[in-house]
Amino acid sequence: GNSVTQMEGPVTLSEEAFLTINCTYTATGYPSLFWYVQYPGEGLQLLLKATKADDKGSNKGFEATYRKETTSFHLEKGSVQVSDSAVYFCALRSYGGSQGNLIFGKGTKLSVKP
Amino acid sequence: DAGVTQSPTHLIKTRGQQVTLRCSPISGHKSVSWYQQVLGQGPQFIFQYYEKEERGRGNFPDRFSARQFPNYSSELNVNALLLGDSALYLCASSYSGTAFGETQYFGPGTRLLVL
Repeated sequence: GNSVTQMEGPVTLSEEAFLTINCTYTATGYPSLFWYVQYPGEGLQLLLKATKADDKGSNKGFEATYRKETTSFHLEKGSVQVSDSAVYFCALRSYGGSQGNLIFGKGTKLSVKP
Repeated sequence: DAGVTQSPTHLIKTRGQQVTLRCSPISGHKSVSWYQQVLGQGPQFIFQYYEKEERGRGNFPDRFSARQFPNYSSELNVNALLLGDSALYLCASSYSGTAFGETQYFGPGTRLLVL
């Protein structure tokens, strides 16, 4: 079946450090891929998405490239800020039949220290 | 424009009770999906509705049910609550629910605690 695996947290970085959160997936067909962010006590916000191979999603300095050959969608940011502290979820959405639901990884908690 | 709204924000119930959670989608969105997020885990899909019809169901027991109203708002019902039902329940809306690449927008969630 379809699944998402992302690196275990927590991840602790100093401000301005480089961030990578790994995400790999298993899916039939050609899924769409998403990164969502969850700040403490809040729901999920879409961070970025990509819908086909080699697409790069980007937002707020975060980037992720849809790599079909390695079934990966790693999240990167060149210089993190304290305000980036949150839990990050990688998700896929496969298509077929009447299903369009999201399948999430377990989440990676990021803490950025000043 | 208002985002997805959910009520109540917090709820405390005891085992065996029943609970109803409510969700209003973004204006113009016709599809609502429900997810359960247990502490420390990613959200798990429960139901998807479009135009009042159930379009998908996750691997949850029959104690879980939902419906969508003509104004596209939705309710999630859980009967015979168990301790393991304690979680954050998230509602997400989208225009069609299945369009390729379509984004689902999430509400703030309802935090349910079962004692």
